[in-house]
Amino acid sequence: DQQVKQNSPSLSVQEGRISILNCDYTNSMFDYFLWYKKYPAEGPTFLISISSIKDKNEDGRFTVFLNKSAKHLSLHIVPSQPGDSAVYFCAASRGQAGNMLTFGGGTRLMVKP
Amino acid sequence: GAVVSQHPSWVICKSGTSVKIECRSLDFQATTMFWYRQFPKQSLMLMATSNEGSKATYEQGVEKDKFLINHASLTLSTLTVTSAHPEDSSFYICSAPILGLYEQYFGPGTRLTVT
Repeated sequence: DQQVKQNSPSLSVQEGRISILNCDYTNSMFDYFLWYKKYPAEGPTFLISISSIKDKNEDGRFTVFLNKSAKHLSLHIVPSQPGDSAVYFCAASRGQAGNMLTFGGGTRLMVKP
Repeated sequence: GAVVSQHPSWVICKSGTSVKIECRSLDFQATTMFWYRQFPKQSLMLMATSNEGSKATYEQGVEKDKFLINHASLTLSTLTVTSAHPEDSSFYICSAPILGLYEQYFGPGTRLTVT
C-alpha cells in the first residue's frame, strides 16, 4: 500500500510559467513533509519542507502548500526555469526528526524554453 | 549544506561475487543512516536503517543476510551485497539526517550492475 502518492508521472511547463506538483498521502500520522529534486544518476537534493502545523512554506521560487484535511500537498515553482527540469519526489515523515522518510513515486518536470 | 559521499559511484561485478558500498557523512556525524534502492523510473524504496553501534533494521522483504549493513563509525556505513545476482542490479543511495533536523542528506548513489 503506497502511503505517499504522486499521481502525475510527468509534467511539462513553459519557461516562466508556474509548475505545480502534487502529492497525496494516506497516513494521518505523517507530520512533516519534504520535497526533493533528483537528476539522473544522482542522489536527491533537499528543496523545501513543511511541518503539519503549517499550511504554507515559501523559499524563493518554491512554495509548498499543505492541506491536512485533504491529505494533500503541492509544490509550486514560479517562475519555472529550464534548470528546474528534474524528477521531484515528495516525502513524508512521522514522529521525531531523523526518522525514515516515505517517498512518493516522483514526477518528472520538463520546463521548455 | 551537509555532504554525504558514496563510493564507488558505479560498479560492475559478476554473479556470485560480493560488492561493498560505502556511505560517509563528510562534515557531520550520523548515528543513523538509511539505505535506499531505486529501480529505473521508480521511487526510492527504503531497504534498511543503519544504526551506529547496533544492528541494522531491515524493511519487510529485504534479506538481511544478503544485504549486510555495518555502521562502523559515526561517519561511515557500509552496504555489502553478498552473492550478487543480476536482479540485484540497481541504483543504491544512502542518506543521513543531521541531529535535530527532519531533512536527510543523500549521497550521490551507486549504480550496481551484476553480469
